[in-house]
Parts: sequence; C-alpha cells; structure tokens
Amino acid sequence: KQEVTQIPAALSVPEGENLVLNCSFTDSAIYNLQWFRQDPGKGLTSLLLIQSSQREQTSGRLNASLDKSSGRSTLYIAASQPGDSATYLCAVSTGDDKIIFGKGTRLHILP
Amino acid sequence: DAMVIQNPRYQVTQFGKPVTLSCSQTLNHNVMYWYQQKSSQAPKLLFHYYDKDFNNEADTPDNFQSRRPNTSFCFLDIRSPGLGDAAMYLCATSRRIRAGETQYFGPGTRLLVL
Repeated sequence: KQEVTQIPAALSVPEGENLVLNCSFTDSAIYNLQWFRQDPGKGLTSLLLIQSSQREQTSGRLNASLDKSSGRSTLYIAASQPGDSATYLCAVSTGDDKIIFGKGTRLHILP
Repeated sequence: DAMVIQNPRYQVTQFGKPVTLSCSQTLNHNVMYWYQQKSSQAPKLLFHYYDKDFNNEADTPDNFQSRRPNTSFCFLDIRSPGLGDAAMYLCATSRRIRAGETQYFGPGTRLLVL
C-alpha cells in the first residue's frame, strides 16, 4: 500500500532564506508526483507536477525534484517571502485515477 | 472563471440530520473526487467517479454516499452525520490521472456537526 511521508511537519524560517521540503513514498510505481499548496481553510492549488519520466520541474522560485527509484521528492523554495506561508502537500498518483497525499509541511515565513 | 465550485462553503448541521454537499465543474473532466480532510491531516479519498462509473474506497463509511447525475455535478450525501464527520470536504476533478493529468480542487465545504 502506497504511503507518503513529509518531513518536517512544520517549519519556520526568516524571510529571504532558501528552504527545502521533503517528501518520500514507499512504492516507486507512480504515474506522477505533485506538490500542492493549501492556505488555511481553503482548497488545494497545484504548484508543480512531475511526470514519472521527469527529474524536475520549475516554476518561478519553486523547483521540485523527483528520484523515483529512491522514492523521494524535494520542493525547493528560493528567497522565501511571507506570502509563501501555507501548508505544502506532496501527492503521488497511482493506478485507478487516484492520488495519495502526505500530511503536509506547515511553513511559516517570519517577516 | 471558477472551475470547480462547491456549495455551500460552510454547512452547519445537527447530529443525525442528513446533509448534502454539492460540487460542480466547468472543465468537462471525466473524473470527480470527494475527499475528507480533518485538521492537520492529509486529504482522505472517500470515492471517485470516472464518468458514471462509481469507485468507493474500502474504508469509506456506509454513512457517506455520492451521486453524479451528469458530467458537471457531483453530490456528497451524509445520511446521519456524527460529531466525527466534522471536517473540510474537498471536491476535485481531473482527466485520466494515468495520462499524467493534474487534479483541480474546489475551495471546500467546511462541515460543522452540533
């Protein structure tokens, strides 16, 4: 059974710092991996989608990497800003059109 | 130009009183999902439809049911809500995930059970 783990559960960093969020999954047979952002009391917004054949994706200050064989992904945020404060969720897609989420990392950027 | 719409955004119900949450989409996607998310937890998939084909997760309680009358709409019915059913309910849509497509989420409905 696929399980997704995110470490750390919470993170506080001063504004302007670069940071890395980690995600691991137990079954490497995935179609793709996504990083989502969730603001308090809101739905999820897809940030980056990495297909199983890809190694990384970039969007602005965000870079996500995927190492399928080791079951790991990282989300790198450059030059963090207070507006980046949110919960970041990692999710992997399996067969049957389903995706499995991690519990998320709650990020707080200190002004 | 909202793509996945959930109504209502907040729902208060009484213990045991049936409640229906609704989701609509303008994306014409084949797949629609219902997730339950409790505080500081990962979203938990309750069920999903591929077109009219219904797929129930093995651990989804019988108290939860769903209807998809057409491509655009999907409903979540909670027959007898308990205190433990208080949560955020998220609707999402996609084309086929195995084709490398992403999911699009609605803003969620927060359910409070008194």
